[in-house]
Amino acid sequence: EPEVTQTPSHQVTQMGQEVILRCVPISNHLYFYWYRQILGQKVEFLVSFYNNEISEKSEIFDDQFSVERPDGSNFTLKIRSTKLEDSAMYFCASDRGLGDTQYFGPGTRLTVL
Amino acid sequence: AQSVTQPDIHITVSEGASLELRCNYSYGATPYLFWYVQSPGQGLQLLLKYFSGDTLVQGIKGFEAEFKRSQSSFNLRKPSVHWSDAAEYFCAVAARGGADGLTFGKGTHLIIQP
Repeated sequence: EPEVTQTPSHQVTQMGQEVILRCVPISNHLYFYWYRQILGQKVEFLVSFYNNEISEKSEIFDDQFSVERPDGSNFTLKIRSTKLEDSAMYFCASDRGLGDTQYFGPGTRLTVL
Repeated sequence: AQSVTQPDIHITVSEGASLELRCNYSYGATPYLFWYVQSPGQGLQLLLKYFSGDTLVQGIKGFEAEFKRSQSSFNLRKPSVHWSDAAEYFCAVAARGGADGLTFGKGTHLIIQP
């Protein structure tokens, strides 16, 4: 069964550094998403991406965040200058759109020191 | 804006007993409704979803959920829990149409007693 994959599984970085989190969505899916889950809290929507542009974004997704689909398979989330409060689990998801089920990857745990 | 309320932060159930996890949503129309499960250190796995039609939906692992429009609820049930059901359960909603992200509730942590 196809699945969403994410790398790395755990990323440790220093405050102020840039990080790129990578995702490979399911191959025939058209919509891609990033969510984050701060430890002990609920999963929060960050951004959705369709047809090579951002479709929706939340208030959390400010100028330090960016997303890109650099090739036909990868979908990345870049955090330009990490802050301590960016420490969280980041989930990628994908679907075919129009209310289809979103399939989630296993997540990347980001730790900012 | 839509919101999801899961009023129970923790629930403890004996193995073999029945389970009901509550979920209420706030949205102007009928949204798409989902239940996801998250085991420790794992990602989110879809248990079931409601889009339209029969208000009682069946999911994986013996779970079911009932959509009640009058109560804006989508409660998850299982007639007999197993120790492997211990996990975090999230109710989520999505607006119909477009590429809206899911809005999640805060989750219910399910503990199974032997």
